Amino acid sequence: GNSVTQMEGPVTLSEEAFLTINCTYTATGYPSLFWYVQYPGEGLQLLLKATKADDKGSNKGFEATYRKETTSFHLEKGSVQVSDSAVYFCALSGTAGNQFYFGTGTSLTVIP
Amino acid sequence: DTAVSQTPKYLVTQMGNDKSIKCEQNLGHDTMYWYKQDSKKFLKIMFSYNNKELIINETVPNRFSPKSPDKAHLNLHINSLELGDSAVYFCASSQGGARSQPQHFGDGTRLSIL
Repeated sequence: GNSVTQMEGPVTLSEEAFLTINCTYTATGYPSLFWYVQYPGEGLQLLLKATKADDKGSNKGFEATYRKETTSFHLEKGSVQVSDSAVYFCALSGTAGNQFYFGTGTSLTVIP
Repeated sequence: DTAVSQTPKYLVTQMGNDKSIKCEQNLGHDTMYWYKQDSKKFLKIMFSYNNKELIINETVPNRFSPKSPDKAHLNLHINSLELGDSAVYFCASSQGGARSQPQHFGDGTRLSIL
């Protein structure tokens, strides 16, 4: 079956530090992979996506590369800001396209 | 011109009451979802509808009943509310059958049971 495993938080970093949030997946077929961000008091927003192996999704300084050989989609940012404090969710879309599988979320706090 | 809108944003009510949450999307999507998010931010799928037909019905108490009058609306009715129902409920939509298309979420309904 399909599933997503995300590193547990919470993660606390100083401003301008490097961020990695690990995500690995199990899937049948060829899923699409997503990172969502949830700011306090808000819904989930799409941060970036990748739809096939070796694709790199990027947005707002965040990047993630779809690695089929390691079944991973790790989120990275070179220099985090206080405004990046949020909960980050890794997700995959199954081959059928109408079922999504979310990780458990990783809470990130960036301190000045 | 909000893409996925839920009402109400906050819902505070007594145990045992019946309440409804409404959701509408103006994205032209054919698939809509309800999720429950607990205090630890864990997101659990509850239901999914495609073109008004139920396609996902996870292990959810019978007290929860979704209704989709058309493909742009998916409402959630909850009977006999219990303390454990306190959570944030999110509605989402996507273009079903297109695995590369993401889900779009509403801002959530914060349900508190007294």
